[in-house]
Formats: sequence, C-alpha cells, structure tokens
Amino acid sequence: EPEVTQTPSHQVTQMGQEVILRCVPISNHLYFYWYRQILGQKVEFLVSFYNNEISEKSEIFDDQFSVERPDGSNFTLKIRSTKLEDSAMYFCASSGGVRNEQYFGPGTRLTVT
Amino acid sequence: EDQVTQSPEALRLQEGESSSLNCSYTVSGLRGLFWYRQDPGKGPEFLFTLYSAGEEKEKERLKATLTKKESFLHITAPKPEDSATYLCAVQAWTGANNLFFGTGTRLTVIP
Repeated sequence: EPEVTQTPSHQVTQMGQEVILRCVPISNHLYFYWYRQILGQKVEFLVSFYNNEISEKSEIFDDQFSVERPDGSNFTLKIRSTKLEDSAMYFCASSGGVRNEQYFGPGTRLTVT
Repeated sequence: EDQVTQSPEALRLQEGESSSLNCSYTVSGLRGLFWYRQDPGKGPEFLFTLYSAGEEKEKERLKATLTKKESFLHITAPKPEDSATYLCAVQAWTGANNLFFGTGTRLTVIP
C-alpha cells in the first residue's frame, strides 16, 4: 500500500541552525501539506502546496519557513534559523484531491537545543 | 473562527464495552469531517471522511456518523489494540484545504 515517508525520523539541532525536513508523498497525489504537533498539543496546519506553489499557509508559517518540491518525488520543509519553540513533531501529508483524505507520514521529531 | 471540540479527553473501557466519542464543530461551511487514529509517536492514520449530515461510515468495530453540529465515532466491542488517540478534523469551504484538528480523545481498552 502506498505511504508517505519522511526523513529523518529524529533531528536534533542547535538554536539558530537551519534544518531541512524531507518527505516523499504518495506518488500520484497532487496536494502536499506540512503540519506540526507540539508535545501534548493538537496537530496544527503549517502550509499547503499545489502545482509547485504555496496555496495556503498559517500564521505559524512565517519568513523562517519555506517549502520546496525540488524534483518529482521529494517535498521539503526548511526552517532557516531554528528557535527552541520550533521543537515539535513535523508531519508531511498528501492527498489526491482537495476534498480527499490526507495521508500522513510517520513524522520527524525536531528537537532544538 | 473554526473550532473543533472533542470529548471526553480520555476514556477507559473494558474489552467488549462499547462507547462513543464526540466531536463538536463550528465551521464556516463544512467541506468534510475526518477521523484519524494516532498511536504514540506516530503520524495520524486515516479512518473516515464524512461530507454531509446523515452520512455514516463503518470499518470493523468503528462507525462514524455526522450531524450538522457534531460527529460521533462509535466503538463496538473494543479490543486492546483499539487503544489510541482518536482525532477529529474539519475542512471548510473557505478556500483553504487544510485540516483543522481537535485535541483528540485518548482511548484505553483494558483486557
């Protein structure tokens, strides 16, 4: 069964460093998303991506964040200068249509020290 | 503003003891309501999508229903492997296609 994959599973970085989180969405899906979940809190939307551009972003997704689809399979989230409060699980998701269910990856646990 | 409230926060059931989880929502035009299961340290796993009031979906011991203000996830004769956090999320017709999640119900099924 096709699934969304994410790497790395755990990333530890120092405050102020740049990190890139990687995702491979399900191959025939057209819509891609990043969400995050701070420990013990709800899943929060960051950004959606369609047709090689951002279609929607939340207030959390400020200038420190960027997304890219560098090739036909990968979808990345870059945090330019990490802060302690960026520590969270980051989930990538993809869907075949805008109303379709979104399938989530296993997540990357980001720890900023 | 879109709001999703799930209750109870936590639920402990004996194996075989059926119950229901509630998801109340306020959204400016519901495009879809989604149920997910999340195990500790894992990503949400898709269960159901409901689009209109009166709709029902079933999968094994789970059944999801939808009204104009809330959704229920009914669990019939649960087993210990059903223990997880169940998340409800809504998608609105505002133009954004993101999901807005509730805080979830943590279900524990005791053998």
